[in-house]
Amino acid sequence: AQKITQTQPGMFVQEKEAVTLDCTYDTSDPSYGLFWYKQPSSGEMIFLIYQGSYDQQNATEGRYSLNFQKARKSANLVISASQLGDSAMYFCATLLYNFNKFYFGSGTKLNVKP
Amino acid sequence: DSGVTQTPKHLITATGQRVTLRCSPRSGDLSVYWYQQSLDQGLQFLIHYYNGEERAKGNILERFSAQQFPDLHSELNLSSLELGDSALYFCASSVGGDRLNYGYTFGSGTRLTVV
Repeated sequence: AQKITQTQPGMFVQEKEAVTLDCTYDTSDPSYGLFWYKQPSSGEMIFLIYQGSYDQQNATEGRYSLNFQKARKSANLVISASQLGDSAMYFCATLLYNFNKFYFGSGTKLNVKP
Repeated sequence: DSGVTQTPKHLITATGQRVTLRCSPRSGDLSVYWYQQSLDQGLQFLIHYYNGEERAKGNILERFSAQQFPDLHSELNLSSLELGDSALYFCASSVGGDRLNYGYTFGSGTRLTVV
């Protein structure tokens, strides 16, 4: 099975500051996708951002950007200008296209302080 | 509203019982995925259906089964329930099957409590 590592079980950030959530993955498959999902206390899973393994540029979606370092097998999520509503669990996931399977990290709980 | 509908939202049942969780995918999506999120196991992939056919299996117990119907809704059946089956069960849908895109949409989940 693939291993997705999120080394930060919990993080604090001051409102309006930027924060980086770490994610490393372990796959030998050349074709994969990287995802970040947000899970607020309500429990739903919200798609944030996607990066394909062949994409040359780092993905960005509004205040979210993905710092993709393929050689290091890392896909860190950067949230700029944190807002109180960003307080949630964040999951990193990889999708192996050849196997049609999703693998999730253990998550990082982000708390944004006013 | 993500477009993926899961019912019920909450379910409390006793050990040994059987329950059925239902998922209606987003309009136009042919793939349905089931996930289990528990405190000690994190988010685990259970099974994937595409247009009525099983495509991939993950860490799904033999006590669990699923199917996707001609109208593309899916049901996850959990039987002989144990306390450890208490978890949040998510359904997600996407357009793709063989070639996946990134258009995964999750439902809001069904919280199952086994007492």
